[in-house]
Amino acid sequence: GIQVEQSPPDLILQEGANSTLRCNFSDSVNNLQWFHQNPWGQLINLFYIPSGTKQNGRLSATTVATERYSLLYISSSQTTDSGVYFCAVGRYGGATNKLIFGTGTLLAVQP
Amino acid sequence: GAGVSQSPRYKVTKRGQDVALRCDPISGHVSLYWYRQALGQGPEFLTYFNYEAQQDKSGLPNDRFSAERPEGSISTLTIQRTEQRDSAMYRCASSLWGSGTGYEQYFGPGTRLTVT
Repeated sequence: GIQVEQSPPDLILQEGANSTLRCNFSDSVNNLQWFHQNPWGQLINLFYIPSGTKQNGRLSATTVATERYSLLYISSSQTTDSGVYFCAVGRYGGATNKLIFGTGTLLAVQP
Repeated sequence: GAGVSQSPRYKVTKRGQDVALRCDPISGHVSLYWYRQALGQGPEFLTYFNYEAQQDKSGLPNDRFSAERPEGSISTLTIQRTEQRDSAMYRCASSLWGSGTGYEQYFGPGTRLTVT
């Protein structure tokens, strides 16, 4: 099956700093999503980005499908950005549309 | 509109008891998914429905786990004869369609199951 690797596994930032999170995947996909799991356990959709670039406020993401990676950029980080960031990929069609999750990046933003 | 809802949010049960976890997807969403998340890990796929049809149950760990979605809306995940290893967060997700741009999955708050 498809393997998903995320880096770095842990990241500590000072408030206001920028960061880049990376997601590598082992096979072609036609779905890729980024999620933020906040300290209360909610899994929040950030981006649906099987290819291309998107921006939403201080967050942006780029997926280069041909090279099998995606990047999540966080600018001017805030303490509320703390939590775990997951990348998940899928390949719809056929019998299943399941998402395969990476192990996540644990982000702590300090005031 | 309302997001995916799940109930109960927390469930503590004794080993050997049966539990039923409920998921109410976003209104109009055709596809529904169940995942299980252990502490410190990402969610892992259990099963998937389009309307009322169970399309993929390859992630169900054994025959104590079953799921249904009889009217194509609300779904129930049932675990029979629970064991301590079943303790985890059980998450439900839904998407508008099972393919194309409607494939984005939205997750509910989860049910935290603890088997004592």
